[in-house]
Amino acid sequence: GAGVSQSPRYKVAKRGQDVALRCDPISGHVSLFWYQQALGQGPEFLTYFQNEAQLDKSGLPSDRFFAERPEGSVSTLKIQRTQQEDSAVYLCASSLDRWDNEQFFGPGTRLTVL
Amino acid sequence: SQQGEEDPQALSIQEGENATMNCSYKTSINNLQWYRQNSGRGLVHLILIRSNEREKHSGRLRVTLDTSKKSSSLLITASRAADTASYFCATAVPTGGGNKLTFGTGTQLKVEL
Repeated sequence: GAGVSQSPRYKVAKRGQDVALRCDPISGHVSLFWYQQALGQGPEFLTYFQNEAQLDKSGLPSDRFFAERPEGSVSTLKIQRTQQEDSAVYLCASSLDRWDNEQFFGPGTRLTVL
Repeated sequence: SQQGEEDPQALSIQEGENATMNCSYKTSINNLQWYRQNSGRGLVHLILIRSNEREKHSGRLRVTLDTSKKSSSLLITASRAADTASYFCATAVPTGGGNKLTFGTGTQLKVEL
């Protein structure tokens, strides 16, 4: 079946613009995660959803970052008033249920803030 | 912040040789996982070892875990050019009834023909 998809794959934004990144998890997967990966680094946890409930948002770097999953499937990560330090690859992952430890990752959205 | 560190940062070997990567982490874990990342296929799960296991095998992969030293190693035997990628260890820590992953800094493996 289809894997995790993300759109857009690439996004260039001017500093101060708002951006919205979309994630379509694998159908039926309960858990959804967002990670941020800076160049040359490992991914860093941003936030976690179980169905539509956002159970952990401890990794969001500032209140400019906001994520939602209103119907428990598609998720959107929104970044307001983008800054240059927001430039990174944003990865979405899903897993079958909260006990399933394997996470399936999407291809990521590469965000460049000029 | 990164949970762990991997060693070496970069590794270059010849096809057919074995590659060993090490990972150290800081806090108690439920399990430890290894992922591979390359530009072609993104981040892919390779193997999971639970905190009460010491060694696990999957095909050409062998993973060990020493919880007393908070360290793990990944061995790839008989490497192939297609194994060229970045390898990350990730520790699973509880959050909100599930597990979030905390990744290490990665090892860049290059397998040359």
